[in-house]
Amino acid sequence: RKEVEQDPGPFNVPEGATVAFNCTYSNSASQSFFWYRQDCRKEPKLLMSVYSSGNEDGRFTAQLNRASQYISLLIRDSKLSDSATYLCVVTTGGRSSASKIIFGSGTRLSIRP
Amino acid sequence: DAGVTQSPTHLIKTRGQQVTLRCSPKSGHDTVSWYQQALGQGPQFIFQYYEEEERQRGNFPDRFSGHQFPNYSSELNVNALLLGDSALYLCASSERGAFNQPQHFGDGTRLSIL
Repeated sequence: RKEVEQDPGPFNVPEGATVAFNCTYSNSASQSFFWYRQDCRKEPKLLMSVYSSGNEDGRFTAQLNRASQYISLLIRDSKLSDSATYLCVVTTGGRSSASKIIFGSGTRLSIRP
Repeated sequence: DAGVTQSPTHLIKTRGQQVTLRCSPKSGHDTVSWYQQALGQGPQFIFQYYEEEERQRGNFPDRFSGHQFPNYSSELNVNALLLGDSALYLCASSERGAFNQPQHFGDGTRLSIL
């Protein structure tokens, strides 16, 4: 089983729709969680950090469920410009020598007019 | 505010050769991490440099080595190149050697092995 798993998609939704995807992680000791966005042939860019209490940034909402070991990303009122691959990132260990950072394989999202 | 810069942008090598990739971190950052991203996959962590030392290492063979300079810039060296080393190599910078902070990525070096 992969340490971080994402549905590869593609998710193909109309403009204005709400879309959500999850990312599951296997290590219960995982500490930090992030969503990154990667456009085709570009570098990943931080979309948002994911906090235990959940957080919202405009049309984007991220949630963490430690009990079930997954994080989620909800995009409301989707725009054409939201078309991208969304990468889930999980870290463990803080600054210790055993710390790790693991990227999921990404979920492809395509918004159609 | 200078972001993360990587060079070269593209590189073509043949099997068995050696390659060196370079990275300058974002202004104010002291930690550099290197990632390999194969087509259709997420970035895979290679190693991290902080205070001129390799602090963390992912599951990559010793053919992959690196260095960090006093000005925080870094190099990734890959020896005895294999066809499977063809990928996008990403450098990311952050602060204080921690993973629990956002990584700021450069544009990457696209390496092709023939």
